[in-house]
Amino acid sequence: GIQVEQSPPDLILQEGANSTLRCNFSDSVNNLQWFHQNPWGQLINLFYIPSGTKQNGRLSATTVATERYSLLYISSSQTTDSGVYFCAVPKAAGNKLTFGGGTRVLVKP
Amino acid sequence: DAGVTQSPTHLIKTRGQQVTLRCSPKSGHDTVSWYQQALGQGPQFIFQYYEEEERQRGNFPDRFSGHQFPNYSSELNVNALLLGDSALYLCASSLYRNTEAFFGQGTRLTVV
Repeated sequence: GIQVEQSPPDLILQEGANSTLRCNFSDSVNNLQWFHQNPWGQLINLFYIPSGTKQNGRLSATTVATERYSLLYISSSQTTDSGVYFCAVPKAAGNKLTFGGGTRVLVKP
Repeated sequence: DAGVTQSPTHLIKTRGQQVTLRCSPKSGHDTVSWYQQALGQGPQFIFQYYEEEERQRGNFPDRFSGHQFPNYSSELNVNALLLGDSALYLCASSLYRNTEAFFGQGTRLTVV
């Protein structure tokens, strides 16, 4: 099956700092999702991004499908950005998502 | 428009018991997938239901079973609970073969 690796596993930021999270996957995929898991456990959809670049406020994501990686950028981080960020890719034949291990982000005031 | 809803939010069960978790998908979605998330790990796929049939299954024992109803809602049943079944159980809804998934808030199961 597809292997998904995220880096770094942990990230501590000072409020206002910028950061980049990386997601590598082992096989070609036809799309990729980024999620933010809040302290209560809910996975919040950030981006559905098979290729190219998308932006949503202070967050943006870039997927380079041919090189099998995606990047999530957080700019001007805020304490509310704290939590775990997951990338997930589908098995080609259906909807099953394979998740990476996540990046745990802590933004300090 | 209601998103994905799961019930209950928390549950405590004893080893050997059986449990049923419920999920209502996002309006307009026809596919429900279930995931198990152990502490500190990413979610792991359990199975997927579409047209009231199990379409895909992850590496989980037969103690884990499910059902999908005509209104697309779904149940996850776990029999003979083990301590290791303690986890956050997440339900995801989507349109079949459209891989963008939306998740509920999860059910946190504790087995004692």
